[in-house]
Amino acid sequence: DQQVKQNSPSLSVQEGRISILNCDYTNSMFDYFLWYKKYPAEGPTFLISISSIKDKNEDGRFTVFLNKSAKHLSLHIVPSQPGDSAVYFCAATTSIKAAGNKLTFGGGTRVLVKP
Amino acid sequence: NAGVTQTPKFQVLKTGQSMTLQCAQDMNHEYMSWYRQDPGMGLRLIHYSVGAGITDQGEVPNGYNVSRSTTEDFPLRLLSAAPSQTSVYFCASSLDMRANVLTFGAGSRLTVL
Repeated sequence: DQQVKQNSPSLSVQEGRISILNCDYTNSMFDYFLWYKKYPAEGPTFLISISSIKDKNEDGRFTVFLNKSAKHLSLHIVPSQPGDSAVYFCAATTSIKAAGNKLTFGGGTRVLVKP
Repeated sequence: NAGVTQTPKFQVLKTGQSMTLQCAQDMNHEYMSWYRQDPGMGLRLIHYSVGAGITDQGEVPNGYNVSRSTTEDFPLRLLSAAPSQTSVYFCASSLDMRANVLTFGAGSRLTVL
């Protein structure tokens, strides 16, 4: 039973338009959420995060929105660029550190930005 | 600064063979972990370590052993490889347990025939 789900395995968007990636979670103990970006043959790299005390966090072209009541978060990329073509993973964790520094990942969304 | 280094990048094993995936970091990170990535399932935690001499199981530990004799190294051992262990393996580290952002290695692709 996946606690973090990314229901769209792929997304295609035109360069300059907005990319919206969605992520749902079921574990109400999760209180910190991250997005990772992964290029082929490379390891995931951290992109942006959000704590449950916030509902929005912005970093340049990337914005993450958190809706705690719906247990849903989304990543917006505006404007999308060809270099954004990658697989994006949503991840969640809990600040209860007795559980260790563990991230629970979604299945990933492959984004293709067309020139 | 090399970050997190994994070797080998590719490996093919026969069922029942053993091998060790190596992971080393030069950032003096206390926390290290191993994940496996399978299609549609994201990354799943295998084992982790909060410091030298301390290891614990993650979500999918069966068939894997780990040890942490130094801060820098965290090898993952497959004692008797099975086709279900065909996957891409990622080692990751962070400064300590309070740091949520992990730094990942480039991955090791393992095929078990």
